[in-house]
Amino acid sequence: QSALTQPPSASGSPGQSVAISCTGTSSDVGGYNYVSWYQQHPGKAPKLMIYEVTKRPSGVPDRFSGSKSGNTASLTVSGLQAEDEADYYCNSFAGSDNLGVFGTGTKVTVL
Amino acid sequence: QLVESGGGLVQPGGSLRLSCAASGFTFSSYWMNWVRQAPGKGLEWVANIKQDGSDTHYADSVKGRFTISRDNADKSLYLQMNSLRAEDTAIYYCVRDLGYYRGDCWGQGTLVTVSS
Repeated sequence: QSALTQPPSASGSPGQSVAISCTGTSSDVGGYNYVSWYQQHPGKAPKLMIYEVTKRPSGVPDRFSGSKSGNTASLTVSGLQAEDEADYYCNSFAGSDNLGVFGTGTKVTVL
Repeated sequence: QLVESGGGLVQPGGSLRLSCAASGFTFSSYWMNWVRQAPGKGLEWVANIKQDGSDTHYADSVKGRFTISRDNADKSLYLQMNSLRAEDTAIYYCVRDLGYYRGDCWGQGTLVTVSS
């Protein structure tokens, strides 16, 4: 399984929105509604932000939203805040006989 | 809570066994995973194991060298790493899986460095 493709970086000013894409194939992103997104601050463990494409775990602000079209999933962060500056990784289920597959990661900078 | 241990410096070709101690939840009810992150790089699923240990999966990069196991009575997850290579250098995280790689609980990670 090859890593899902994400843009290396994205940025926005406080209060603006930023969208991160995650492109896979019909064997992963396009084939299942099991895309999740993780946020990772420097030196910290990743944190689950979105699961099953659009769902937010308890405690995750509703500024974070997910969507999917075909083989591409997206994470949108609205109303950017300083604490949203972090690395973001998408992940997809890729079948029962395979491990999941992460994206290449996107560094979000709040200008 | 998940707490990893066992990381350290090992020579190429050597072995290391990582442990992950779980607390605060019914360990035996969840798939468990190991995820690694090489310095300055992205995340990679390394291996996972079913609730009763009857099913496991491995990344191609570690297949035949690493073995994941668990002890539900002891609420512990393990990763036996043999024939270690420089490219195995990474922080290794223990991750609870709610299903379909929904990793909702992560340990703090343990650093494995493979170098002569």
